[in-house]
Amino acid sequence: NAGVTQTPKFQVLKTGQSMTLQCAQDMNHNSMYWYRQDPGMGLRLIYYSASEGTTDKGEVPNGYNVSRLNKREFSLRLESAAPSQTSVYFCASSERYRSYEQYFGPGTRLTVT
Amino acid sequence: AQSVAQPEDQVNVAEGNPLTVKCTYSVSGNPYLFWYVQYPNRGLQFLLKYITGDNLVKGSYGFEAEFNKSQTSFHLKKPSALVSDSALYFCAVRDINSNYQLIWGAGTKLIIKP
Repeated sequence: NAGVTQTPKFQVLKTGQSMTLQCAQDMNHNSMYWYRQDPGMGLRLIYYSASEGTTDKGEVPNGYNVSRLNKREFSLRLESAAPSQTSVYFCASSERYRSYEQYFGPGTRLTVT
Repeated sequence: AQSVAQPEDQVNVAEGNPLTVKCTYSVSGNPYLFWYVQYPNRGLQFLLKYITGDNLVKGSYGFEAEFNKSQTSFHLKKPSALVSDSALYFCAVRDINSNYQLIWGAGTKLIIKP
């Protein structure tokens, strides 16, 4: 039981490049989330998927797109990376959207130069 | 607007002493409150939650938190700190007026010195 896994662990992009961050969970959770973590700012929600087949914007969606590929997988895409997107990205899941506990992956550290 | 504040960027405690990490919140309805811990280069781990009931909530690794409605606080505590408790701690509150999203504090770095 791996929980929530994320790939890659580290990535360096040049401005304007694109990439997709992958996330998968094996806990049969219905809801999944993408956050970014910046120093002194806590976590900010980028997008979430309350259930398979649905996605919604969070607090900071600009510059990102998501795909809920199936119940297990939820990917985050940066179409044209900008230095402001340098951050640590966390994927999380929960049993239901209104569940109290979220379970986090280990994170992806992204640097955009 | 709903918000969470962690007033201390860093808390330093000697091993064996009690520790407190502070959290205050502002919500329009009843708060659902959470504490998470993040060890270096790891994702966040759930510690404990307050939904309703007893104001003193017990969680993982010997931590507990006290809900105080009049002071709108939810401070994290532990009677005797361990060096291994050194980590980043986040308080969060559920915003039922914003589709149940979690609102996160900025985090408090806890350093336990031997």
